Amino acid sequence: QQQVKQSPQSLIVQKGGISIINCAYENTAFDYFPWYQQFPGKGPALLIAIRPDVSEKKEGRFTISFNKSAKQFSLHIMDSQPGDSATYFCAASKDGNKLVFGAGTILRVKS
Amino acid sequence: ETGVTQSPTHLIKTRGQQVTLRCSSQSGHNTVSWYQQALGQGPQFIFQYYREEENGRGNFPPRFSGLQFPNYSSELNVNALELDDSALYLCASSLHGQVETQYFGPGTRLLVL
Repeated sequence: QQQVKQSPQSLIVQKGGISIINCAYENTAFDYFPWYQQFPGKGPALLIAIRPDVSEKKEGRFTISFNKSAKQFSLHIMDSQPGDSATYFCAASKDGNKLVFGAGTILRVKS
Repeated sequence: ETGVTQSPTHLIKTRGQQVTLRCSSQSGHNTVSWYQQALGQGPQFIFQYYREEENGRGNFPPRFSGLQFPNYSSELNVNALELDDSALYLCASSLHGQVETQYFGPGTRLLVL
């Protein structure tokens, strides 16, 4: 059972553009929603995370939008740069325990 | 870079063999979680160790087992290797019950032939 569905599988964005990645979840008990960035040969690195009591969180060029009623959340990368080219994973967790990951989105930012 | 280290970085085994992967936690962290990441997929939770005992397990067979040591480092053991076990194995350390403190290591790439 895929508890977190992520889209799109891949994304190409021009430098300076906005990258948008979406995730949908099924389990309403989830209470923590992070986004991870992974470069080839590296482990996932936490980018930004949100709790369901807020609808939006912004850190620099990265913003999470959260829609509790729709059970969806998304990552927006403003002013996308070639250095942002990586694989991005959404995830969800409940009660501070294991992370359930989406399948990933390969982002390529063209210069 | 996180303080989580894993060894070895790469490993090649043949089907039916056994393998042991190692992980050192970030300083101050008392919980270790292991994930399997198949090529082109998101990480999948294998199990978690806290106070040297298994503290939650994902949908993996018993041939996947682990240990946690008093210094909070951990091992992942896989017996009777199958071709589908080829993957990147990720270790993540955290404070117990605080997944927001979880940091991942660089992983061990296992290839089963």
